[in-house]
Amino acid sequence: AQSVSQHNHHVILSEAASLELGCNYSYGGTVNLFWYVQYPGQHLQLLLKYFSGDPLVKGIKGFEAEFIKSKFSFNLRKPSVQWSDTAEYFCAVTSNAGNMLTFGGGTRLMVKP
Amino acid sequence: DAGITQSPRHKVTETGTPVTLRCHQTENHRYMYWYRQDPGHGLRLIHYSYGVKDTDKGEVSDGYSVSRSKTEDFLLTLESATSSQTSVYFCAISESASGFHEQYFGPGTRLTVT
Repeated sequence: AQSVSQHNHHVILSEAASLELGCNYSYGGTVNLFWYVQYPGQHLQLLLKYFSGDPLVKGIKGFEAEFIKSKFSFNLRKPSVQWSDTAEYFCAVTSNAGNMLTFGGGTRLMVKP
Repeated sequence: DAGITQSPRHKVTETGTPVTLRCHQTENHRYMYWYRQDPGHGLRLIHYSYGVKDTDKGEVSDGYSVSRSKTEDFLLTLESATSSQTSVYFCAISESASGFHEQYFGPGTRLTVT
């Protein structure tokens, strides 16, 4: 069975600081990787996804993520966060065999103005 | 945004009572899912459907049942609600079972079991 770990449960940053959220997964086969964001009181929205090709993936709102196969990692980054990035971020994985999403526990980000 | 609605959006119920949550989609997607969201656990799959009358269990299916009589509606039933089922419930839809298709999520239902 696949599993996803997000080691940072809570992150507090000041505006303009750089962001990196860790995501590690365990699965022996080919995976598809996703980052979802949930703004306060809202539903989950897709930030970015990786299926194949360039391991550096760019998403919406200036976010990017890098797939490092040897480390089973898919860390989310943003060079300069804004107050509006305050949200909870979820890493998720599916295998090519199907789209049963397995989620990490989430990282709650607070950006101070 | 994908056309997904959930009803009710908030519900408080007592232990032992039955509860049904509804997910409605206007996208004509074949696959529908029910998740629960709990702090520290992310989202966990309860049940999913791959077509009308075709459903299967997910990771945390105990205490829940589902039904899908029409493509657009997917119902989640708690036969006898317990306090451990207090959670936020999200419905999701997807075009196919391929791992290449993302899932789109509804607005969620906050359920409190007292």
